[in-house]
Amino acid sequence: KNQVEQSPQSLIILEGKNCTLQCNYTVSPFSNLRWYKQDTGRGPVSLTIMTFSENTKSNGRYTATLDADTKQSSLHITASQLSDSASYICVVSRPLMSTFIFGSGTRLSVKP
Amino acid sequence: DVKVTQSSRYLVKRTGEKVFLECVQDMDHENMFWYRQDPGLGLRLIYFSYDVKMKEKGDIPEGYSVSREKKERFSLILESASTNQTSMYLCASGEARGLSRNTEAFFGQGTRLTVV
Repeated sequence: KNQVEQSPQSLIILEGKNCTLQCNYTVSPFSNLRWYKQDTGRGPVSLTIMTFSENTKSNGRYTATLDADTKQSSLHITASQLSDSASYICVVSRPLMSTFIFGSGTRLSVKP
Repeated sequence: DVKVTQSSRYLVKRTGEKVFLECVQDMDHENMFWYRQDPGLGLRLIYFSYDVKMKEKGDIPEGYSVSREKKERFSLILESASTNQTSMYLCASGEARGLSRNTEAFFGQGTRLTVV
């Protein structure tokens, strides 16, 4: 069964600290993996996209890694800010398929 | 910038009412999607459309129908709203898959529907 699982389900960190969110998937075949950020009451917005040939990609303080062999991805947030408080969703696409497979998300709270 | 606009941010309806959720995108995307999002369950696909007048059931189509009469507009219809349809509804659009590896779903701001 094609699945995307994220951990932890929720996370609380202090402002300025780093954190890492995990995404494991069993989707096959695999086309790409995206991390989305969803602020409370808003729609998700794409942060990064990675294809199977890419190991790491950065977007400012966000760095995503991908290990296509173990089917694991992580999103590392450096020097967290209060505005990083949001849900982070891992989404996997399959070749030539119109639909996406979503993880259930990690809820991150950054406290002052 | 891609813009996906949902007609309402918040909606309160009574049980048994017929409810229309509208979504419009301005990027000439072939694909459009309707999801619902519930705590702990993530996004679940209700229906998607890959062309005008074309639709495919997603994972949870029961109790819903859709309409795509024009390429830019995708409507979700709750024929007879029930309390278990209280949820956040998200519309998304994207380019046709083809051979692209970088297809992205662009989301609207969401509609928080409460059925009482």
